[in-house]
Amino acid sequence: DTEVTQTPKHLVMGMTNKKSLKCEQHMGHRAMYWYKQKAKKPPELMFVYSYEKLSINESVPSRFSPECPNSSLLNLHLHALQPEDSALYLCASSQGLAGGHEQYFGPGTRLTVT
Amino acid sequence: ELKVEQNPLFLSMQEGKNYTIYCNYSTTSDRLYWYRQDPGKSLESLFVLLSNGAVKQEGRLMASLDTKARLSTLHITAAVHDLSATYFCAVDTGNQGAQKLVFGQGTRLTINP
Repeated sequence: DTEVTQTPKHLVMGMTNKKSLKCEQHMGHRAMYWYKQKAKKPPELMFVYSYEKLSINESVPSRFSPECPNSSLLNLHLHALQPEDSALYLCASSQGLAGGHEQYFGPGTRLTVT
Repeated sequence: ELKVEQNPLFLSMQEGKNYTIYCNYSTTSDRLYWYRQDPGKSLESLFVLLSNGAVKQEGRLMASLDTKARLSTLHITAAVHDLSATYFCAVDTGNQGAQKLVFGQGTRLTINP
């Protein structure tokens, strides 16, 4: 099973709402990632978790709060977002911590902030 | 700051033709990845290149890496319509802690019958 799943597929939220994105993988991967992708742009790294610990935060605003409850799950908690945060949010996982392991991407959550 | 530059950014070609997409990057790295993305879809891993001179081939696609020139190429042979997609290269700048991928801008490839 080389699948990364993400829920929900689509999310519309107001600027005062609190919502969460969920990502799951059952490949035994020990690194998990959140990316943000705006239309017609490349993915931009937001957070990296290694062995369930946050190892990279790319200076992401605090209205985005990641959480890794266990080695298979990755959440992204959203609060007080802005319209410019509307984007495709991609989760990925990789086998190892060091380089050389391809990342497997989930289908993404398309987020619209109104 | 690492820069990863692809060219061309847009490519329209006829079926049956050959072409090459270039990926230049500005820092030392020997870990480079190619991904494909269809419209509205996620990213699919195509190639993992981990050393100078690495060459990988899958079907009509072939990727290579020259770490001294900081250049990777994705060559398309006898293009077919199904290869229409956006192609991204990504350079890994992470340390031992975790991968840190920086993506190129993407090359939007359209193959016409």
